[in-house]
Amino acid sequence: ETGVTQSPTHLIKTRGQQVTLRCSSQSGHNTVSWYQQALGQGPQFIFQYYREEENGRGNFPPRFSGLQFPNYSSELNVNALELDDSALYLCASSLDRPQETQYFGPGTRLLVL
Amino acid sequence: GESVGLHLPTLSVQEGDNSIINCAYSNSASDYFIWYKQESGKGPQFIIDIRSNMDKRQGQRVTVLLNKTVKHLSLQIAATQPGDSAVYFCAEGRGGSEKLVFGKGTKLTVNP
Repeated sequence: ETGVTQSPTHLIKTRGQQVTLRCSSQSGHNTVSWYQQALGQGPQFIFQYYREEENGRGNFPPRFSGLQFPNYSSELNVNALELDDSALYLCASSLDRPQETQYFGPGTRLLVL
Repeated sequence: GESVGLHLPTLSVQEGDNSIINCAYSNSASDYFIWYKQESGKGPQFIIDIRSNMDKRQGQRVTVLLNKTVKHLSLQIAATQPGDSAVYFCAEGRGGSEKLVFGKGTKLTVNP
Protein backbone atom coordinates (compact mmCIF):
# COMPACT_ATOMS: atom_id res chain seq x y z
CA GLU A 1 0.00 0.00 0.00
CA THR A 2 1.21 3.47 -0.91
CA GLY A 3 -0.58 5.47 1.74
CA VAL A 4 -2.51 7.40 -0.91
CA THR A 5 -6.22 7.18 -0.26
CA GLN A 6 -9.16 8.15 -2.45
CA SER A 7 -12.86 8.54 -1.85
CA PRO A 8 -15.36 7.41 -2.77
CA THR A 9 -14.37 4.06 -4.26
CA HIS A 10 -17.31 3.96 -6.64
CA LEU A 11 -19.77 6.56 -7.83
CA ILE A 12 -22.73 6.62 -10.22
CA LYS A 13 -23.91 9.91 -11.70
CA THR A 14 -26.12 10.99 -14.56
CA ARG A 15 -25.24 13.22 -17.48
CA GLY A 16 -25.08 16.91 -16.63
CA GLN A 17 -24.39 16.37 -12.96
CA GLN A 18 -21.30 17.48 -11.08
CA VAL A 19 -18.93 15.28 -9.09
CA THR A 20 -16.16 15.82 -6.55
CA LEU A 21 -13.50 13.20 -5.95
CA ARG A 22 -11.06 13.34 -3.06
CA CYS A 23 -7.49 12.28 -2.48
CA SER A 24 -5.23 12.20 0.54
CA SER A 25 -1.58 12.10 -0.37
CA GLN A 26 1.08 9.98 1.23
CA SER A 27 2.57 11.48 4.36
CA GLY A 28 5.22 14.08 3.52
CA HIS A 29 4.20 14.39 -0.13
CA ASN A 30 3.27 17.88 -1.33
CA THR A 31 2.52 17.11 -4.98
CA VAL A 32 -0.68 15.51 -6.24
CA SER A 33 -1.44 14.49 -9.82
CA TRP A 34 -4.76 13.33 -11.22
CA TYR A 35 -5.18 10.85 -14.04
CA GLN A 36 -8.15 9.44 -15.92
CA GLN A 37 -7.99 5.80 -16.95
CA ALA A 38 -10.54 4.54 -19.42
CA LEU A 39 -11.20 0.82 -19.57
CA GLY A 40 -8.35 -1.02 -21.24
CA GLN A 41 -6.19 2.09 -21.54
CA GLY A 42 -3.27 3.62 -19.73
CA PRO A 43 -3.83 6.56 -17.38
CA GLN A 44 -4.08 10.01 -18.97
CA PHE A 45 -2.76 13.05 -17.15
CA ILE A 46 -5.41 15.58 -16.11
CA PHE A 47 -3.46 18.03 -13.97
CA GLN A 48 -1.02 18.36 -11.10
CA TYR A 49 -0.95 20.46 -7.95
CA TYR A 50 2.29 21.40 -6.26
CA ARG A 51 2.17 23.25 -2.95
CA GLU A 52 -1.44 24.28 -3.58
CA GLU A 53 -0.86 25.69 -7.07
CA GLU A 54 -1.72 24.07 -10.39
CA ASN A 55 1.54 22.92 -11.90
CA GLY A 56 0.51 21.68 -15.32
CA ARG A 57 -2.53 20.45 -17.14
CA GLY A 58 -3.24 17.82 -19.75
CA ASN A 59 -5.72 17.92 -22.63
CA PHE A 60 -8.86 18.08 -20.56
CA PRO A 61 -11.58 20.75 -20.83
CA PRO A 62 -12.07 23.44 -18.17
CA ARG A 63 -15.00 21.56 -16.67
CA PHE A 64 -12.29 19.44 -15.04
CA SER A 65 -10.95 21.48 -12.16
CA GLY A 66 -9.10 20.86 -8.96
CA LEU A 67 -7.89 22.10 -5.64
CA GLN A 68 -5.11 21.29 -3.25
CA PHE A 69 -5.44 22.13 0.42
CA PRO A 70 -2.81 23.21 2.97
CA ASN A 71 -2.55 19.62 4.21
CA TYR A 72 -1.82 18.64 0.57
CA SER A 73 -5.01 16.65 0.13
CA SER A 74 -6.74 17.35 -3.15
CA GLU A 75 -10.06 17.39 -4.94
CA LEU A 76 -10.98 16.78 -8.55
CA ASN A 77 -14.22 18.39 -9.68
CA VAL A 78 -15.97 17.57 -12.92
CA ASN A 79 -18.93 19.66 -14.05
CA ALA A 80 -21.54 18.87 -16.69
CA LEU A 81 -20.71 15.17 -16.71
CA GLU A 82 -20.70 13.37 -20.04
CA LEU A 83 -20.99 9.65 -20.73
CA ASP A 84 -17.32 9.56 -21.81
CA ASP A 85 -16.29 10.72 -18.37
CA SER A 86 -16.95 7.20 -17.14
CA ALA A 87 -13.53 5.97 -16.07
CA LEU A 88 -11.24 5.18 -13.17
CA TYR A 89 -9.87 8.40 -11.69
CA LEU A 90 -6.47 8.02 -10.12
CA CYS A 91 -4.66 10.27 -7.76
CA ALA A 92 -0.88 10.06 -7.37
CA SER A 93 1.32 11.80 -4.86
CA SER A 94 5.01 12.54 -4.99
CA LEU A 95 7.59 13.92 -2.62
CA ASP A 96 8.47 17.56 -2.82
CA ARG A 97 9.38 18.01 -6.47
CA PRO A 98 7.05 17.15 -9.35
CA GLN A 99 9.67 14.99 -11.03
CA GLU A 100 9.84 12.54 -8.18
CA THR A 101 8.24 9.11 -8.39
CA GLN A 102 4.46 9.23 -8.34
CA TYR A 103 2.65 6.78 -6.07
CA PHE A 104 -0.93 5.99 -6.95
CA GLY A 105 -4.02 5.51 -4.87
CA PRO A 106 -6.64 2.82 -5.56
CA GLY A 107 -8.77 5.13 -7.70
CA THR A 108 -12.42 6.13 -7.86
CA ARG A 109 -14.58 4.31 -10.39
CA LEU A 110 -17.04 6.79 -11.91
CA LEU A 111 -19.96 5.66 -14.01
CA VAL A 112 -21.99 8.27 -15.85
CA LEU A 113 -25.41 7.16 -17.06
CA GLY B 1 4.65 13.13 -31.35
CA GLU B 2 4.25 12.13 -27.75
CA SER B 3 3.56 8.49 -27.22
CA VAL B 4 4.73 5.61 -25.16
CA GLY B 5 3.72 2.26 -26.53
CA LEU B 6 4.17 -1.42 -25.92
CA HIS B 7 5.09 -4.05 -28.48
CA LEU B 8 2.75 -6.76 -27.23
CA PRO B 9 -0.64 -6.33 -25.58
CA THR B 10 -0.56 -9.77 -23.90
CA LEU B 11 2.11 -12.10 -22.62
CA SER B 12 1.61 -15.59 -21.24
CA VAL B 13 4.40 -17.39 -19.38
CA GLN B 14 4.83 -20.48 -17.25
CA GLU B 15 5.40 -20.14 -13.55
CA GLY B 16 9.11 -20.05 -12.84
CA ASP B 17 10.06 -18.73 -16.26
CA ASN B 18 11.53 -15.30 -16.82
CA SER B 19 9.28 -12.64 -18.36
CA ILE B 20 10.30 -9.77 -20.58
CA ILE B 21 7.91 -6.89 -21.22
CA ASN B 22 8.88 -4.33 -23.81
CA CYS B 23 8.12 -0.67 -24.32
CA ALA B 24 8.97 1.82 -27.04
CA TYR B 25 9.03 5.55 -26.53
CA SER B 26 9.13 8.27 -29.12
CA ASN B 27 10.56 11.35 -27.43
CA SER B 28 14.33 11.45 -27.09
CA ALA B 29 13.92 14.26 -24.54
CA SER B 30 12.40 11.85 -22.04
CA ASP B 31 14.71 11.42 -19.10
CA TYR B 32 12.75 9.35 -16.62
CA PHE B 33 11.00 6.01 -17.08
CA ILE B 34 8.88 4.02 -14.68
CA TRP B 35 7.29 0.61 -14.71
CA TYR B 36 3.98 0.16 -12.93
CA LYS B 37 2.00 -2.99 -12.19
CA GLN B 38 -1.76 -2.75 -12.07
CA GLU B 39 -3.88 -5.56 -10.72
CA SER B 40 -7.56 -5.74 -11.45
CA GLY B 41 -9.52 -3.15 -9.52
CA LYS B 42 -6.44 -1.46 -8.10
CA GLY B 43 -4.31 1.57 -8.81
CA PRO B 44 -0.91 1.28 -10.51
CA GLN B 45 1.82 0.04 -8.20
CA PHE B 46 5.37 1.35 -8.61
CA ILE B 47 7.84 -1.38 -9.57
CA ILE B 48 11.05 0.26 -10.64
CA ASP B 49 12.30 3.39 -12.35
CA ILE B 50 15.33 4.43 -14.35
CA ARG B 51 16.77 7.74 -15.43
CA SER B 52 18.25 8.41 -18.83
CA ASN B 53 21.82 8.51 -17.52
CA MET B 54 21.56 4.78 -16.75
CA ASP B 55 21.28 1.70 -18.98
CA LYS B 56 20.24 -0.83 -16.38
CA ARG B 57 18.76 -0.94 -12.94
CA GLN B 58 17.95 -3.94 -10.79
CA GLY B 59 15.43 -4.46 -8.06
CA GLN B 60 14.05 -7.48 -6.31
CA ARG B 61 13.44 -10.05 -9.12
CA VAL B 62 13.08 -7.20 -11.62
CA THR B 63 15.50 -5.51 -13.99
CA VAL B 64 14.83 -2.54 -16.22
CA LEU B 65 16.92 -1.99 -19.32
CA LEU B 66 17.03 1.27 -21.22
CA ASN B 67 18.34 1.54 -24.76
CA LYS B 68 18.34 5.20 -25.69
CA THR B 69 19.70 4.55 -29.16
CA VAL B 70 16.54 2.77 -30.25
CA LYS B 71 14.26 4.36 -27.62
CA HIS B 72 13.40 1.05 -26.03
CA LEU B 73 12.67 0.07 -22.48
CA SER B 74 12.19 -3.41 -21.08
CA LEU B 75 11.17 -4.96 -17.80
CA GLN B 76 12.55 -8.37 -16.94
CA ILE B 77 10.89 -10.39 -14.19
CA ALA B 78 12.85 -13.35 -12.91
CA ALA B 79 11.17 -16.57 -11.80
CA THR B 80 7.71 -15.28 -12.61
CA GLN B 81 5.05 -16.15 -10.05
CA PRO B 82 1.24 -16.28 -10.27
CA GLY B 83 1.15 -13.10 -8.18
CA ASP B 84 2.93 -11.31 -11.00
CA SER B 85 -0.15 -11.65 -13.20
CA ALA B 86 -1.32 -8.11 -13.91
CA VAL B 87 -1.19 -5.35 -16.51
CA TYR B 88 2.21 -3.69 -16.74
CA PHE B 89 2.59 -0.10 -17.87
CA CYS B 90 5.67 1.82 -18.78
CA ALA B 91 5.47 5.55 -18.22
CA GLU B 92 7.64 8.33 -19.47
CA GLY B 93 8.58 11.54 -17.72
CA ARG B 94 10.11 14.45 -19.51
CA GLY B 95 12.49 17.07 -18.23
CA GLY B 96 10.58 20.13 -17.13
CA SER B 97 7.25 18.37 -17.48
CA GLU B 98 5.14 17.40 -14.54
CA LYS B 99 3.17 14.63 -16.20
CA LEU B 100 3.78 10.98 -16.85
CA VAL B 101 2.83 9.61 -20.26
CA PHE B 102 1.61 6.04 -20.13
CA GLY B 103 1.40 3.37 -22.76
CA LYS B 104 -1.59 1.09 -23.16
CA GLY B 105 -0.13 -1.71 -21.08
CA THR B 106 0.81 -5.36 -21.43
CA LYS B 107 -1.28 -8.01 -19.73
CA LEU B 108 0.93 -10.66 -18.17
CA THR B 109 -0.62 -14.03 -17.40
CA VAL B 110 1.36 -16.56 -15.41
CA ASN B 111 0.26 -20.15 -15.90
CA PRO B 112 0.84 -22.64 -13.07
